[in-house]
Order: sequence, then structure tokens, then C-alpha cells
Amino acid sequence: DQQVKQNSPSLSVQEGRISILNCDYTNSMFDYFLWYKKYPAEGPTFLISISSIKDKNEDGRFTVFLNKSAKHLSLHIVPSQPGDSAVYFCAASKGNQFYFGTGTSLTVIP
Amino acid sequence: DTGVSQNPRHKITKRGQNVTFRCDPISEHNRLYWYRQTLGQGPEFLTYFQNEAQLEKSRLLSDRFSAERPKGSFSTLEIQRTEQGDSAMYLCASSLVLRLAGEETQYFGPGTRLLVL
Repeated sequence: DQQVKQNSPSLSVQEGRISILNCDYTNSMFDYFLWYKKYPAEGPTFLISISSIKDKNEDGRFTVFLNKSAKHLSLHIVPSQPGDSAVYFCAASKGNQFYFGTGTSLTVIP
Repeated sequence: DTGVSQNPRHKITKRGQNVTFRCDPISEHNRLYWYRQTLGQGPEFLTYFQNEAQLEKSRLLSDRFSAERPKGSFSTLEIQRTEQGDSAMYLCASSLVLRLAGEETQYFGPGTRLLVL
């Protein structure tokens, strides 16, 4: 059973515009959420996280929003840069249990 | 470089052979995880260690798989009698957890890509 879902396998955005990546989860017990970025032939790199007690966390160009009632989180990247082109995974956790989505491939067009 | 390292980065083997992968976590991280990732999927949990103790194993981890973390530092993942279905990227991640209810961020290594012919 897929407890974390990323329904958009790919996304293309013009450089300088906003990229919005979405993630849905099913387990209301998850209390910590993370976004990872992955380049080909590399492991996932931690990007940003949010605790379930918050609804927004910002770090530079990256902002994560959490909507607990909808069991939905999103990652906003603004402005998008060509170097942001990668696969983005969302993850949800409860204690030591981590569940990952299937990823969204972001392409930022110069 | 103080990140998570994994060796080898690539491994090609014939079906039926045994393979062993190594993971060196970020020093002082007390938790170490192994994941498997196949094309188009996110990482899937295999097992994890708290210091040297293996605390949980996924149903994905058949009895052909064994993992160790003998001194609470590096870890090895061995696959015996490999099958073509074992072909995947094997990822290691480590984290520092200071209290049970704390937020935990895992840091991943580059992975070992296994191809079983």
C-alpha cells in the first residue's frame, strides 16, 4: 500500500517561475515530513522538512506547506533555476518508519 | 567529506553469487538504514540499526539478505544467492536521534547499483 503518493511523475517550469511539487499521504499518524532531491546516479539529498505542528517552513527559495486536514504537502521553489532540475521525493515519517513517494521529475527550462 | 559513503558504487554479478555492500555513516550518527530503490519508485525500507542493534526488518528482506553493524559504525548488507529481481539501487542512510520522539532527518549515501545477470 502506497502511503505517500506523488501523482505527477514530471513537471516542467520556465526558469524564474515558481515550481510547485505536490504530495499526498494517507496515514494521519505521520508527524514529520521531508523533501529530498535526487540527481541521477546519486543518493537523495535532504532539502527541507516540516513538523506536523507547523503548516509552513521556509528555507531560502524553498518553502514547504503542510495541510493536515487534506493530508497534503507541497514544495514551492521560487524562483526556479536550471540547477533545480532533478527528481524530488517527499517522505513522511512516524518514529523510525519512513515512507517515500515515487518522485516527481522537475525540469527547469532556461 | 563527512557524508555517508557507500562501496562499491556499482556491482555486476551473476545469478546465484553472493554480494556484500558497505555503508559508512556520518560519524556519531546512531541510526543507520538500508533501503532499496527500483526504477520509478521511491526508496523502500529494508532494515535499520540503532547503534549496533538491528531493530527492525521489512518483509521485503528475505532470508537471503543479512545486515550487520558490528561496532555501531559501518554496516554491511549481504545478499546470498542473488536473483535477477535483486537488481536495484541499494541506499544507506544515517541519522542522529537524541530522543525517542524527536524529529529525525536521514542523510543518504550515493547508493550501490546492483545488476544481477
